[in-house]
Amino acid sequence: AQSVTQPDIHITVSEGASLELRCNYSYGATPYLFWYVQSPGQGLQLLLKYFSGDTLVQGIKGFEAEFKRSQSSFNLRKPSVHWSDAAEYFCAVGTTSGTYKYIFGTGTGLKVLA
Amino acid sequence: DSGVTQTPKHLITATGQRVTLRCSPRSGDLSVYWYQQSLDQGLQFLIQYYNGEERAKGNILERFSAQQFPDLHSELNLSSLELGDSALYFCASTNSDSPLHFGNGTRLTVT
Repeated sequence: AQSVTQPDIHITVSEGASLELRCNYSYGATPYLFWYVQSPGQGLQLLLKYFSGDTLVQGIKGFEAEFKRSQSSFNLRKPSVHWSDAAEYFCAVGTTSGTYKYIFGTGTGLKVLA
Repeated sequence: DSGVTQTPKHLITATGQRVTLRCSPRSGDLSVYWYQQSLDQGLQFLIQYYNGEERAKGNILERFSAQQFPDLHSELNLSSLELGDSALYFCASTNSDSPLHFGNGTRLTVT
């Protein structure tokens, strides 16, 4: 069965430090991959997406993610975190066969220390 | 702004009652998804509609139902409400295999 795992429930980083949020997926074919960000009381905003092609994708707000097929991973990175990046981050897989579905991870909460 | 509109933003009601949540998808999007987000369950897929037809069901209770109208807006009906139904309910829309675009949600509080 398809699944998405975000192993870190919470992460705390200092402002200006680099960030990597982990995401592993289980899916038999090449999936569509997404990262979303959710600020408190808000909906989920799309940060970036991978459909095909270049495995390093750039997103909004200075985020990037790299698709590694051999590791079934799609980790999110940012070179220098800003206090405004504090939020909940969700990795999602879009299945590409049968009924189109989106499977979300349980999220990683990011706290940024001033 | 995602282009997906959800109303109302907040809803407070008593156990046993029935409520209707409304969603207007982005212009041009034919598919609507409903999700429930609670602290202990994360983001749970409830149901998907495509151009007025139900396409997929997730963890949707029998007390809950949804529909998508000819103008593509969708409604999620929750009945016989229980305290445990208190959550954020999100609607998201998409066109074929593009990413989901989420509304800002309806926060339901059952007292």
